[in-house]
Parts: sequence; structure tokens; C-alpha cells
Amino acid sequence: EVQLVQSGAEVKKAGESLKISCKASGYTFTNYWIAWVRQMPGKGLESMGIIYPADSDTTYSPSFQGRVTISVDKSITTAYLQWSSLKASDTALYYCARHIVGATNQYFDYWGQGTLVTVSS
Amino acid sequence: QSALTQPASVSGSPGQSITISCTGTSSDVGSYNLVSWYQQHPGKAPKLIIYEVTKRPSGVSNRFSGSKSGNTASLTISGLQAEDEAEYSCCSHAGRSALEVFGGGTKVTVL
Repeated sequence: EVQLVQSGAEVKKAGESLKISCKASGYTFTNYWIAWVRQMPGKGLESMGIIYPADSDTTYSPSFQGRVTISVDKSITTAYLQWSSLKASDTALYYCARHIVGATNQYFDYWGQGTLVTVSS
Repeated sequence: QSALTQPASVSGSPGQSITISCTGTSSDVGSYNLVSWYQQHPGKAPKLIIYEVTKRPSGVSNRFSGSKSGNTASLTISGLQAEDEAEYSCCSHAGRSALEVFGGGTKVTVL
């Protein structure tokens, strides 16, 4: 059974750093892209970036380029999303999702449960 | 890239059919048959219900169907049931140099 299990909720202050995780199981981790998706309070989903665990090839959405870093640790089948300096506007629910990408297909087929990040100013 | 446009809310009575629209541009929805739809119940993660415009993952009810015409994709829920009350979001490929773009989400209410 494919599972993506994310780390727990975080409460931080503006300016602090943070790294949240997404542990994958039930499939070959290095064969599928992993995406991070943001959902701000009361708003829609936004694709932040994707990473291919086999070689850490990463693409960021222009809105998030330079603001976050996506990485993986293949040895423990875990993907990460990190910030070096949080802002209050980073307060949101963050999801990881397995991302199917091909010439004729593109969608997110399995999702983590979400990690709520709250940043106070 | 700009978000796809969805109605904020759609409602229907049990047993009825409803359709949710998702309007993009010729750079995303209009150019690729790579539209997917996600169902999200309150406090839960999104769930894939339609991919590649019309395909349903295994285990998803055939009451859900997708279509596309020009720059607008649509999700139809037939035989509306109480359990269908949720937020529905569309998503489209947005070109080789861009990641996917999502719609703002549509809240479906079963009257």
C-alpha cells in the first residue's frame, strides 16, 4: 500500500528556519517524482515544486523559487521541504504528493496527510 | 501562471447531477489533455478522482465523470449523494517550463 506520512504540525516565529518531512513507503521511492503543494487558509492548492528522488532533479514554481528548498534522502525514502527564514505569510497547510509525470500523463495520485505550519510575527 | 477559474460553490439535491467548470487558457487547459480533479473533505488530504480529463482511478465511483471543451474542463457528479459534499479542485499541465496550475476550488453542497 502506497503511503506518504508527513511530520507533525509546527509553530514557529518569523525569521526561524524549518524543515518538514514526507516519509514514503509501499513503492519504489526512486521511480516517482514527489511534489510539495501549499494550501493557505481558505485558499486553493498551489504547486510549489517537484523532485525526482533518483537524482534529486528539482523544479520549483517561480512563486517559490529561492524561498524554499526541496530535497530527499533516498536511504530513508523521505522528502523534505525547508525554509531558511520563515515569514508570517508562510502560514499554511503543506502537502506532499506522489507526482505521475509522463508525455501523456500528469497528476498527483497519492497524498500525505498534510503538515500545518503556523508562523507568528 | 494564473490559477484556473472555478465557481466558488455549486449545490444540488440528492440524486441530481451537477457540473463544475474549470476555465483556463490556451496555454494550459486548452493545449493539453492533462486535466485532473481532486476531492477534498474538510480536514482531509485531496483525493484524485479524475485524471487525463476523463479517466477514473480504480475505486472511484463512476458517478464522477470529466470532459473538456476548448479552454474549459468540467467535472460532472451524477446521482448526487451526501458523501459527495466536499471541495473539488481542478488542475492542469501548464507547459514545459511550468508546473501544474490549480483552480481555486469549488465547494459542493448537497441540499
